[in-house]
Amino acid sequence: QLQLQESGSGLVTPSQTLSLTCAVSGGSITSGVYSWSWIRQPPGKGLEWIGYMFDSGSTYYNPSLKSRVTISVDRSKNQFSLKLDSVTAADTAVYYCARGGRQLVPLFDYWGQGTLVTVSS
Amino acid sequence: QSVLTQPPSVSGAPGQRVTISCTGSSSNLGAGYAVHWYQQLPGTAPKVLISGNNKRPSGVPDRFSGSKSGTSAFLAITGLQAEDEADYYCQSYDSSLSGSVFGGGTKLTVL
Repeated sequence: QLQLQESGSGLVTPSQTLSLTCAVSGGSITSGVYSWSWIRQPPGKGLEWIGYMFDSGSTYYNPSLKSRVTISVDRSKNQFSLKLDSVTAADTAVYYCARGGRQLVPLFDYWGQGTLVTVSS
Repeated sequence: QSVLTQPPSVSGAPGQRVTISCTGSSSNLGAGYAVHWYQQLPGTAPKVLISGNNKRPSGVPDRFSGSKSGTSAFLAITGLQAEDEADYYCQSYDSSLSGSVFGGGTKLTVL
C-alpha cells in the first residue's frame, strides 16, 4: 500500500522560505509511471494545485506561484520536496503531497495526510 | 476565483438525489479535458470519487455517478446518506493556465 507523509516546519516567518518534504513508502518514486504533486488548502477554503514533477525531474507549476516555487526529487531517499519563497500570510494552508498519473489531467489517487503551515511572525 | 465554478453548497434529505455542477469554459471542460471528482470528509485528505468523467474506482458506491456535457460536468448522488456529508471538488486541466485546476468546492449537507 502506497503511503505519503509530509514533514517540515509548521511555522514560517513572513518573507522567508517554506520547505516541506514528502516521503513515499510502499512504492518507488522513480517508477516512471506517475507524477508527484503538491496541493494546498487554506483554512476553510478550496484546493489549489501548486505543481508537480515527474521522476525525470521535469516540473510544472501553477502560473500564479511559478516565480516562487521549486519542486525537487531526492531519488536516494524516495522523497520529493517543496520550497516556496517569500511567503506571506496568504500562504497559510494545509499542504498535501499526492501521487498522480502522467495524463494532462492527472488523477490524484494517493494523498498524504496534510500538514498545516502557518505564516506568522 | 477558480476557473471551474461549483455551487458553494447543496443539501438534501436522506434518500434523496442531489446533483453538483462544475462549470468551466472552452479552455478546460469545453476543450474536452477529463474531469475528476473528489470527496473530502472533515479533517481528512480528499479521496477519489469519480475519474475520467464517469468512472467509479472500486470501493465507491454506485450511488455516485459522474457525467460531462460541453463546458459542464455533474456529480450525482442518489439515496443520500448521512455519511455523504462532505465537501466535493471537481478537477480538470486548463490550457490557458497550462495546469491542473480545481473547482471551488461544494459543501453537501444531509438534512
